[in-house]
Amino acid sequence: DGGITQSPKYLFRKEGQNVTLSCEQNLNHDAMYWYRQDPGQGLRLIYYSQIVNDFQKGDIAEGYSVSREKKESFPLTVTSAQKNPTAFYLCASSRWGMRVQETQYFGPGTRLLVL
Amino acid sequence: AQKITQTQPGMFVQEKEAVTLDCTYDTSDQSYGLFWYKQPSSGEMIFLIYQGSYDEQNATEGRYSLNFQKARKSANLVISASQLGDSAMYFCAMREGNQGAQKLVFGQGTRLTINP
Repeated sequence: DGGITQSPKYLFRKEGQNVTLSCEQNLNHDAMYWYRQDPGQGLRLIYYSQIVNDFQKGDIAEGYSVSREKKESFPLTVTSAQKNPTAFYLCASSRWGMRVQETQYFGPGTRLLVL
Repeated sequence: AQKITQTQPGMFVQEKEAVTLDCTYDTSDQSYGLFWYKQPSSGEMIFLIYQGSYDEQNATEGRYSLNFQKARKSANLVISASQLGDSAMYFCAMREGNQGAQKLVFGQGTRLTINP
């Protein structure tokens, strides 16, 4: 079955520690995205990537980093510079194209908690 | 300025009744798309329905329909014959313009509870 997988489901971070969230898709989508969701809030875009080896900052990129070495994978690193990382992180992917109606499909999410 | 506004933080509906979830948006683009997603307690975002700014007819997908009023900049989701499994958070989102990668802007969401 095609889809998006995220791991781990829960992640605990100590103060000053960098942690990496995994996102893999087998939908053959070119574009991938990372969102952050705080309790009772909507999603906010952290980073997105249209093609391999290229990515762009979203609205809340500070304290985060990404890489896109393979089409299928778009890992997100939460660095120690992110002072309030506790949130639910969602990865998504879509076809890349010049049409407004390309739908984004989401993974199951990773919940990050700070110890 | 907030681009997507969902004014109903929570709604309670009896099973089998129809329910309308409100969404208004703000954009100066002529070309844009509006999406509705469902988020159950598990957290995953499930795509429900899409409406394009140039679509002349309201979108429908099974029990979901979108009441699109372009002049009022509203895109309300209508769920007919609600079921207990419809209880979830619902998010309205917008994509502006014709760009290679979508940048979706989300509203704050509406928590829908279906009572038996």
